[in-house]
Amino acid sequence: QQQVKQSPQSLIVQKGGISIINCAYENTAFDYFPWYQQFPGKGPALLIAIRPDVSEKKEGRFTISFNKSAKQFSLHIMDSQPGDSATYFCAATTAEYNNNDMRFGAGTRLTVKP
Amino acid sequence: GAGVSQSPSNKVTEKGKDVELRCDPISGHTALYWYRQSLGQGLEFLIYFQGNSAPDKSGLPSDRFSAERTGGSVSTLTIQRTQQEDSAVYLCASSLASTRDTYEQYFGPGTRLTVT
Repeated sequence: QQQVKQSPQSLIVQKGGISIINCAYENTAFDYFPWYQQFPGKGPALLIAIRPDVSEKKEGRFTISFNKSAKQFSLHIMDSQPGDSATYFCAATTAEYNNNDMRFGAGTRLTVKP
Repeated sequence: GAGVSQSPSNKVTEKGKDVELRCDPISGHTALYWYRQSLGQGLEFLIYFQGNSAPDKSGLPSDRFSAERTGGSVSTLTIQRTQQEDSAVYLCASSLASTRDTYEQYFGPGTRLTVT
């Protein structure tokens, strides 16, 4: 049962461009939406996260946009760099699940070409 | 400080053999999670521990999979009678506590299991 749907599956962007990855969720009880970045051979690492009380959160070149009514959120990477090439996962969870059920998207493999 | 560590980093085993995968969480983290990541796929939740107890075992794929955690720290994931479809990267994560403000999960590097 996939509760978080992520797209696209893969993305190729030129250096300096904007990378956009989208996620949609089903469970309206979700109240925490993190994005994880995973480099080959490494475990995922938290990149940025948002709660539904705000519509946007920015940290450096990374921005999460959140649309509560549409049940969608997206990651924008501005001025994309080759070092950003990695797999990105969106996720969602809720206190209702007592933090035991972080639902992950299927991942997006981002390639930033120099 | 030290992050989440997992061992072994790679494991190749023959079909039908049992394997044990180990996870050392960050010191003081009471919540521990196991995930499975198949090649090119997302993260599949397997099991979650709060302290030594596992309130949610619903993600375990079959009764060949089991996990335990002792002393509120180290956890072991055991796969009995391994099958080729068990081949994947097994990831462990820990978090400070199971409360609203401490959702962040810290992942280990994973154990790559190959069943031949």
